[in-house]
Amino acid sequence: QKEVEQDPGPLSVPEGAIVSLNCTYSNSAFQYFMWYRQYSRKGPELLMYTYSSGNKEDGRFTAQVDKSSKYISLFIRDSQPSDSATYLCAMSRGASNYQLIWGAGTKLIIKP
Amino acid sequence: DTGVSQNPRHKITKRGQNVTFRCDPISEHNRLYWYRQTLGQGPEFLTYFQNEAQLEKSRLLSDRFSAERPKGSFSTLEIQRTEQGDSAMYLCASSPRTSTSIEQFFGPGTRLTVL
Repeated sequence: QKEVEQDPGPLSVPEGAIVSLNCTYSNSAFQYFMWYRQYSRKGPELLMYTYSSGNKEDGRFTAQVDKSSKYISLFIRDSQPSDSATYLCAMSRGASNYQLIWGAGTKLIIKP
Repeated sequence: DTGVSQNPRHKITKRGQNVTFRCDPISEHNRLYWYRQTLGQGPEFLTYFQNEAQLEKSRLLSDRFSAERPKGSFSTLEIQRTEQGDSAMYLCASSPRTSTSIEQFFGPGTRLTVL
């Protein structure tokens, strides 16, 4: 069993919809939870990260962490066609811990 | 462009040949990482440098793989006697050395195809 599980999709939604992306994990030592976005033929880029439990909002994006359930989510409001990409969750045990453990990524398609 | 750059972007080689990839990190970043990503999967950690010192190597990195970072600037990843299973995207990332530096900045990757 992988340490981080993520549904690969694809997830297809109409423009303007609220999107929910999720990951589950098994290692309770994870403290930092990240969401990266990866466009085709590009490297991943960090969208946002959360330390420990709680919510974090940045514009149309909200990240949630529930450590008791070992479950993290990324919500995208007012989704746009430009949001179409693969969304990867990644986790680490500490800020100085360089080994990120990644989910497989969810391919998101926003239909105009 | 001041981002992470990787060369070449694409490499096609025959099984058994050696290949070398180059990564130029963001200039003020002293941490450098190599990852491998196959289709439909997230990146897998390969190795990590702090300045010129290689501090960690994944068990995924067989003896055919070697990475260097002379003078703590650019890095090279060499694969000897390539196998078809080595076909993947090889990603390089860099980050600054601060206590709060969680973000890794990725390059566009080098896509390797082994025939």
